[in-house]
Amino acid sequence: QVPLVESGGGVVQPGRSLRLSCVASGFAFSSYAMHWVRQAPGKGLEWVGVIWYDGSQKYYADSVKGRFTISRDDSKNTLYLQMNSLRSEDTAVYYCARERGGTGCDFWGQGTLVIVSS
Amino acid sequence: DIVMTQSPDSQAVSLGERATINCKSSQSVFSGTNNKNSLAWYQQKPGQPPKLLFYWASTRESGVPDRFSGSGSGTEFTLTISSLQVEDVAVYYCQQYFSTPCTFGQGTKLEIK
Repeated sequence: QVPLVESGGGVVQPGRSLRLSCVASGFAFSSYAMHWVRQAPGKGLEWVGVIWYDGSQKYYADSVKGRFTISRDDSKNTLYLQMNSLRSEDTAVYYCARERGGTGCDFWGQGTLVIVSS
Repeated sequence: DIVMTQSPDSQAVSLGERATINCKSSQSVFSGTNNKNSLAWYQQKPGQPPKLLFYWASTRESGVPDRFSGSGSGTEFTLTISSLQVEDVAVYYCQQYFSTPCTFGQGTKLEIK
């Protein structure tokens, strides 16, 4: 059973919105901080943001601050990434990842591709 | 923000030979609170998500072969593969989690010579 599965990616026009989901299974989702990381085609990894295990703290990369919002619904074991005012430079595979108690991200989803294009 | 810089950008190494990847941070990622460096190494193969290799700079993740080692402290870190195998062909990233944003290095592509 894959512990993290992302969905919600697709093709969207610049300026529009999209919400990604990441469903967790097989572990106590509510006990872990969760990250979003993205990777533009042929490029390296870019950290997008993190939400604390209890949702009390959220931090974002400057490139998405004010446009993207991370949230979680522990009753559904689901992490979300609300992406507004999308730009072409947001085109990437978006991964969700579990942070294991300040020791890096040990579980990653397979990613979902977002293409921002007119 | 802490900037992570890896070197080299790419490297070709013969099978069985040693591969070394360096990572420098623009400021120290050593925490006096727990006396650890908040530095992770990841391996990413084509079409796959990253895989955690090391955390705290030198603590090997379960299941990672012992030909892989991580070292360094403060601002300078190294990932070493003692004897390169075919399955080690990948892109390797360092990441600091000392402070947000949790920045990655640009990646080092490792190939077979």
